[in-house]
Amino acid sequence: QVQLVQSGAEVRKPGSSVKVSCKPSGGTFKRFTFNWVRQAPGQGLEWMGRVIPIIDITNNAQRFQGRLKITADRLTGTVYMELSSLSPEDTAMYYCVRELGEDDNSWGQGTLVSVSS
Amino acid sequence: SSELTQDPAVSVALGHTVKITCQGDGLRNYFASWFQQKPGQAPLLVLFGQNNRPSGIPDRFSGSTSGNSASLTITASQAEDEADYYCCSRDITGTTHVFGPGTKVTVL
Repeated sequence: QVQLVQSGAEVRKPGSSVKVSCKPSGGTFKRFTFNWVRQAPGQGLEWMGRVIPIIDITNNAQRFQGRLKITADRLTGTVYMELSSLSPEDTAMYYCVRELGEDDNSWGQGTLVSVSS
Repeated sequence: SSELTQDPAVSVALGHTVKITCQGDGLRNYFASWFQQKPGQAPLLVLFGQNNRPSGIPDRFSGSTSGNSASLTITASQAEDEADYYCCSRDITGTTHVFGPGTKVTVL
C-alpha cells in the first residue's frame, strides 16, 4: 500500500511562513490528486487545496487565497504545501491526502505546525 | 452555499443501527465520502461514491444519497465504531472540496 511520508513538525512565529512536504512511497505521482487537509486542536477537518501534478492544476479553498501555495516537483516526486502570514489560528495538524473520495485514498502521518510568539 | 452540515453528536446502543446525515447543495451533484476518525489517529475512509466501501471496511457501513442529503448507516454497531465521522464532498463547481463539521458517535 502506498504511503505518504510527510516532513517533521515545525514551530513558527506569527507572520512567518511554513513549507511542508509530502512524498509518496514508490516515487511517482501517476494520475493522482494530492490534497492538503488540516485539523486544529480539538476541531474538525478543513480542506485547504489540491494539486493534480500530471496536468499541473491547483485549486485552493477561498479562505486561503493569497497565502497558500501547493506545488508538485515531478523530478523528486514530492508535493509541497506552503502557508504564509501565519497566525496562532494556523496551529494545526496538516495532512497530505491522496484522492479524497476515491478508493485510492491515502493519508500521510500528519505534520504538526505550531505558531506562537 | 458550499457548506455541509451534520448533527454534532449521536448515540447508539451496542448492536443497534445508527444513521448519520450530511446536507449541502453540492450533494445534488456529487457523492459524499465518509471518514472515520478516532482520537490521535488520521482519518480513515469508510465509504465513497454511490455506496462503496474500501477494502477492509466492514459491510455494516453503508450509505445513500437523496437530493441535497447524504447518509451513513452503521448497522449492528460495535464498540470500535465509536468515533468522529466526517462527510466530504465537492462544492457546486466541482473544483474544491468541503468537509462537514463532524458527528461524534457514541456507542452505549
